[in-house]
Amino acid sequence: DGGITQSPKYLFRKEGQNVTLSCEQNLNHDAMYWYRQDPGQGLRLIYYSQIVNDFQKGDIAEGYSVSREKKESFPLTVTSAQKNPTAFYLCASRNGHATNEKLFFGSGTQLSVL
Amino acid sequence: AQSVTQLDSQVPVFEEAPVELRCNYSSSVSVYLFWYVQYPNQGLQLLLKYLSGSTLVESINGFEAEFNKSQTSFHLRKPSVHISDTAEYFCAVSPNSGNTPLVFGKGTRLSVIA
Repeated sequence: DGGITQSPKYLFRKEGQNVTLSCEQNLNHDAMYWYRQDPGQGLRLIYYSQIVNDFQKGDIAEGYSVSREKKESFPLTVTSAQKNPTAFYLCASRNGHATNEKLFFGSGTQLSVL
Repeated sequence: AQSVTQLDSQVPVFEEAPVELRCNYSSSVSVYLFWYVQYPNQGLQLLLKYLSGSTLVESINGFEAEFNKSQTSFHLRKPSVHISDTAEYFCAVSPNSGNTPLVFGKGTRLSVIA
């Protein structure tokens, strides 16, 4: 079945550590997105990429980094500069760039600080 | 820029009762509107969307939403809810041209009580 796979499901970060969240899709979608979800805050956009080797900052990019070396992969690194990383992270993709296309979401990664 | 306001963070309702989840948006351009649903510990799934044409749109599981341009609203309704409708519901907006990411509201948690 086609879809988006996020791993791991749960991740723990120590003080000063960088951690990387994986997002892989086999839908052949061009556009991929990372959202952060906090209780009562809804979804906030961290980074997005509309084509391989290109990406743009979202509303809360500080303390995060991404790469898009392959069409199917869009990993997110939470750096030590992100002082409040505990949240549920969602990866999504979209077929094409038109804004009427729906987003397909992965099942998320819960990141917690030890 | 677009923004979305979901006025109710939590809505408890008894099983088989009707429900309305409110969504208002702000935009200087014409928009597409979406409702997504998130079941516990999962990603989001598209519930329904308004692109153009009839202002009343329906989903396969009995939800409907009506686009009201004069009131800049896109409220979600269901005449009779089931326990299985318990979830978080997100309203989202995007401009109807270009390729900008979706903007999400903060979500409404619907709790159906037996």
